[in-house]
Amino acid sequence: GENVEQHPSTLSVQEGDSAVIKCTYSDSASNYFPWYKQELGKRPQLIIDIRSNVGEKKDQRIAVTLNKTAKHFSLHITETQPEDSAVYFCAARGDYKLSFGAGTTVTVRA
Amino acid sequence: KAGVTQTPRYLIKTRGQQVTLSCSPISGHRSVSWYQQTPGQGLQFLFEYFSETQRNKGNFPGRFSGRQFSNSRSEMNVSTLELGDSALYLCASSSVPAGDQYFGPGTRLLVL
Repeated sequence: GENVEQHPSTLSVQEGDSAVIKCTYSDSASNYFPWYKQELGKRPQLIIDIRSNVGEKKDQRIAVTLNKTAKHFSLHITETQPEDSAVYFCAARGDYKLSFGAGTTVTVRA
Repeated sequence: KAGVTQTPRYLIKTRGQQVTLSCSPISGHRSVSWYQQTPGQGLQFLFEYFSETQRNKGNFPGRFSGRQFSNSRSEMNVSTLELGDSALYLCASSSVPAGDQYFGPGTRLLVL
């Protein structure tokens, strides 16, 4: 089955700096890679996703990149703000099964 | 559209008891997945149901079971509760199997 590894497990950044979270996956047939954000005490919410026919996707301050050859994908948050503090989960879908990474706790320092 | 709802929101049980959690998906969504979330363990996939059939199952013991009804509502049952079952149980619905997950608020289970 699919195995998704996510790094780092915690990330502390100064407000205004960038944050990068990286994930690797094992199933080369995986074709869909969503990212979820979970604020403290709230439910996870989909923030952005990328499909295997696209290398990069942006939405305002967040972007995702995908390298299918190396089987890794990344989430980039630019100009971080306090409201970006949360746990971020990457996921990969292969064979109609969604597998999640262990999560990255991002703390934005004022 | 109304979001995913879960009942109850909080539950306290003792070891050995059994519990049933309920999840109502977004209208029109036929897929419901269940996850266990504990501090430091991320989202552990339990199972997914689509059109009343279990499509996938995670690595959990047989004490964890589920079902889905014809209206897409789903229930999850845990029998013979153990202390380690204390967790937040999240369900998520999607329009297609393993599609974009729309999570409910979760049921927080405490086993004493």
